Amino acid sequence: DIVMTQSPLSLPVTPGESASISCRSSQSLLHSNGYKYLNWYLQKPGQSPQLLIYLGSNRASGVPDRFSGSGSGTDFTLKISRVEAEDVGVFFCMQVLRPPFTFGGGTKLEIK
Amino acid sequence: QVHLVQSGAEAKKPGAAVKVSCKASGYTFRDHPIHWLRQAPGQRPEWMGWINPGNGLTKYSQAFQRRVRISRDTSASTVSMELSSLRSEDSAVYYCARYVGAIEAYDLWGQGTMVTVSS
Repeated sequence: DIVMTQSPLSLPVTPGESASISCRSSQSLLHSNGYKYLNWYLQKPGQSPQLLIYLGSNRASGVPDRFSGSGSGTDFTLKISRVEAEDVGVFFCMQVLRPPFTFGGGTKLEIK
Repeated sequence: QVHLVQSGAEAKKPGAAVKVSCKASGYTFRDHPIHWLRQAPGQRPEWMGWINPGNGLTKYSQAFQRRVRISRDTSASTVSMELSSLRSEDSAVYYCARYVGAIEAYDLWGQGTMVTVSS
């Protein structure tokens, strides 16, 4: 199975500042089609996860441009510029290259 | 509007089975696979398997291979997940999610179903 590792575990951020979350995979997530099979989700308190970024760097429909994704085959980053109070929750990365699909352990963003 | 609506919370005893349903609306049911995942409190989601509603083909995680069965009723636009031989470690919120091949991601989730296994 592909192991996904996220850091940090907790991320206290002052509103208006930027934040960055790291995700590392135990195997390359670069598909032969050139796409990186890595997605980012945000799970707000008491809610189902919601898609933020798909295929490594593409914002999902309706997601503010404050969110951006980047990365190579095994190292990925989610950046949030101008953090807002509504961004509070747990961010997960997830690989969909090879079943079983696996998630990182999550990063809890909280507002200072 | 597109929705996935799941059945309500369940309380089961160890050794029993549970069946959770997921009703799709607002889009063509056969067009997208439905996946099942679960999430224990404070843990990362765990992928269980999927079904192609168009042809009924399924794929399961080896972690659940012998205990899980995913089925679909196309007339009701509903997918169901049955997990047998329940143990306390199966207590979790179970989610269905729509997988969109064009973006290789889940773009729509059910609201989650809490399953509690306790004697």
